[in-house]
Amino acid sequence: GENVEQHPSTLSVQEGDSAVIKCTYSDSASNYFPWYKQELGKRPQLIIDIRSNVGEKKDQRIAVTLNKTAKHFSLHITETQPEDSAVYFCAAQRDYKLSFGAGTTVTVRA
Amino acid sequence: DGGITQSPKYLFRKEGQNVTLSCEQNLNHDAMYWYRQDPGQGLRLIYYSQIVNDFQKGDIAEGYSVSREKKESFPLTVTSAQKNPTAFYLCASRPGGGDTGELFFGEGSRLTVL
Repeated sequence: GENVEQHPSTLSVQEGDSAVIKCTYSDSASNYFPWYKQELGKRPQLIIDIRSNVGEKKDQRIAVTLNKTAKHFSLHITETQPEDSAVYFCAAQRDYKLSFGAGTTVTVRA
Repeated sequence: DGGITQSPKYLFRKEGQNVTLSCEQNLNHDAMYWYRQDPGQGLRLIYYSQIVNDFQKGDIAEGYSVSREKKESFPLTVTSAQKNPTAFYLCASRPGGGDTGELFFGEGSRLTVL
């Protein structure tokens, strides 16, 4: 089955700096890659997603890049703010099977 | 209110007992999912269902069972065969008609096996 690895497991950044989270996947047939954000005590929520026929997608301060050949994708958060502090999960999907990475705890220091 | 409801929120059971977690949605979503969330391990897929009367094993299905007799309901049974059942369980659903789109999560059920 699909194996999604996510790095780093924790990330501390100064407010205003950028944060980058990287994921790799094992199943070359995976074709959909969403990112979820889970704030403390809350449900995970989708923040951005990308399909396999697209190399990059941007939404305000967040962007996702996908390298199908290398089977890895990354989340970029620019100009980080305190409200960006949360756990971020990447995921890869083949057909309807959506498998998540282990998560990255991001802390934005004021 | 439209949404996805999990019950109970907290559950305690003795070792060796089966337990069923409820997941109900009134969003008219076709696809439903069960994940287990453990510290440091992210969300691990247990079972998923694309449509009524059909479901597939996820990455960690051993020791679990599900049914999908109604569109709005996708209960998860944690059996005595599950070696480490104490965990936080999340149910989610997604609109049908495609294999992409946001998963809507329930608030979760925390199971503790004593």
